[in-house]
Amino acid sequence: DGGITQSPKYLFRKEGQNVTLSCEQNLNHDAMYWYRQDPGQGLRLIYYSQIVNDFQKGDIAEGYSVSREKKESFPLTVTSAQKNPTAFYLCASSPDPQGTEQYFGPGTRLTVT
Amino acid sequence: QKEVEQDPGPLSVPEGAIVSLNCTYSNSAFQYFMWYRQYSRKGPELLMYTYSSGNKEDGRFTAQVDKSSKYISLFIRDSQPSDSATYLCAMTEGLEAGTALIFGKGTTLSVSS
Repeated sequence: DGGITQSPKYLFRKEGQNVTLSCEQNLNHDAMYWYRQDPGQGLRLIYYSQIVNDFQKGDIAEGYSVSREKKESFPLTVTSAQKNPTAFYLCASSPDPQGTEQYFGPGTRLTVT
Repeated sequence: QKEVEQDPGPLSVPEGAIVSLNCTYSNSAFQYFMWYRQYSRKGPELLMYTYSSGNKEDGRFTAQVDKSSKYISLFIRDSQPSDSATYLCAMTEGLEAGTALIFGKGTTLSVSS
């Protein structure tokens, strides 16, 4: 099956710990994206990558980091510097560089206490 | 003024009703318009994708774009309980690589049997 997988589905961490969220796609898409979704706020872009070994900050990149060592993988690290990390995190990929058509993974719900 | 406005609802309709979901936007440069369906605790699923103005139909779903009014709509005919979800509109200029999608906050739809 082709698609985007995110793991784990639920993640719990203590405040002050870094945590890495996984995103893998086998759609052969070049572009990949990380969004954060909070209740009543819609989706906000954290980071995006158009090609391997390259990525750009989105609107709310502070406290997050990413890597893109392989085309199919785009992990997101939520660092201890992120002031309000509890949220639903969504990974997406797109077949075109402009990202006009994006397909989403199932999401990871992160809870930090 | 926010870039994309979407009434959050909730919108409750009986099974078989015609549903109209709408978004307005302020950026006249938006050219690509999408509708996503998101079930609770799941990733958004791309429903409809249109370029520029006009209508697009796919089964029970029709997407309309009126660029002169900066207004887009999604119509659902013969609504079913399985259509109960949050519907997100999204749009982008699509001019530059890596341009983020701008999302509405979503409208929650409930279809009762």
